[in-house]
This record gives sequence, C-alpha cells and structure tokens, in this order.
Amino acid sequence: GAVVSQHPSWVICKSGTSVKIECRSLDFQATTMFWYRQFPKQSLMLMATSNEGSKATYEQGVEKDKFLINHASLTLSTLTVTSAHPEDSSFYICSARPTGPNTEAFFGQGTRLTVV
Amino acid sequence: GENVEQHPSTLSVQEGDSAVIKCTYSDSASNYFPWYKQELGKRPQLIIDIRSNVGEKKDQRIAVTLNKTAKHFSLHITETQPEDSAVYFCAASSPLQKLVFGTGTRLLVSP
Repeated sequence: GAVVSQHPSWVICKSGTSVKIECRSLDFQATTMFWYRQFPKQSLMLMATSNEGSKATYEQGVEKDKFLINHASLTLSTLTVTSAHPEDSSFYICSARPTGPNTEAFFGQGTRLTVV
Repeated sequence: GENVEQHPSTLSVQEGDSAVIKCTYSDSASNYFPWYKQELGKRPQLIIDIRSNVGEKKDQRIAVTLNKTAKHFSLHITETQPEDSAVYFCAASSPLQKLVFGTGTRLLVSP
C-alpha cells in the first residue's frame, strides 16, 4: 500500500517553544492531508484539513494561530504547534488519501509530543 | 458536520466467540466507511472498508454491513483470537474526503 511518513516520532519540548511536525506522502501525490490529535484512550479528533497551495481548513474549536499548517508541495504538509503548553501534549497523526473517489486513507506513524 | 457514534466502548469475549461493534453516522452524504484497528502507540491500520453502493463485505473472519437508510454500519469478527485484542475505530467519509472517527471500542479476547 501507499506510504505516509511522519517525523519526528516523538519530541519533548519546553513550554513556550514551537514544534514542527512533518508529514510526507512517499509514493503518491496528496493535494489534501489531514491532521488529527489523539489523547490517551480517546479517539482521533480531526484538527484540520491541509490543502496544497491554499489555507488549511480548521475544525471548530481548533486555534488556527496555535496550530499552523503549511502544505507547500503535493507531498509535504507540516504542523507547527506554537508556544506549546503542557496541555498540548498529545499524539498527533497525519493522514493522506490518494486522488480518486473513496480511496483508502494512509496514516503517518504519529508524533508523541510532550511539553514540559 | 458529520458525527459518528460507536458502541460499545469496551467488549470482552472469549476466544472463538464473535464480536460485533456498531456505529451510526449523521451525514447522509457520507459514502465511505472504513474500520481501523489501532494498537497502543501505533498508527491506525485499515482492516476493512465499505462503500455506500454495497450492503455487505466480507474478508475471512471480518465482515462489515451497511444500512444507508438507517445510517448505521457494523463490524463483525468471527472466531476471535487473542491477537484481535486492540482498539477498533469506525469512520465515515464524505465526498470531501475527510474522515470522522467514532469513539472507539476496546476489544479484549481472553484465551
């Protein structure tokens, strides 16, 4: 199947700093990618839809100024958590689907962010 | 927007028994319904999916049924094995492609 690679797989940062997470589709082009956040023992909550060449679409309740998304190419989307705080600690995971109707979604490995 | 509900939240069965997980969705425009298995700290893995033009799909011990009229779909696992123990998520997707996940079911299969 198609491969989506996410980096880093884990990161520890200090409160107030920013962290960038990368999501790459390795063998297909993705005009759209999705960013999810998952707290322990909870479901994957969609944060935003990343659109290549245009602004991301954020879900209700997600602060766009805090979670900056950039989708500068057809194979790369980045999520930057700005001014991170301990409550931002979570598992962040990206997803991409090859072009076409109802194609399978492929997920990155996820990034465990811990803010201390 | 789409809202997906999933039941039960936990399910314990004996090895060899069947397990059924049910989901309902709200957006009648949703047309793609995948099921994922997620192990702790790992990415979700697709186990089976169904599209809105199909009522049932089976892959070995796993089957999914879809009732578009009632807006619900179910996962059926037969002859469960301990390695089936994991968290299972249903999801629904509209033509806009974003997946909305259910709340998850923790399945425990006891030997």
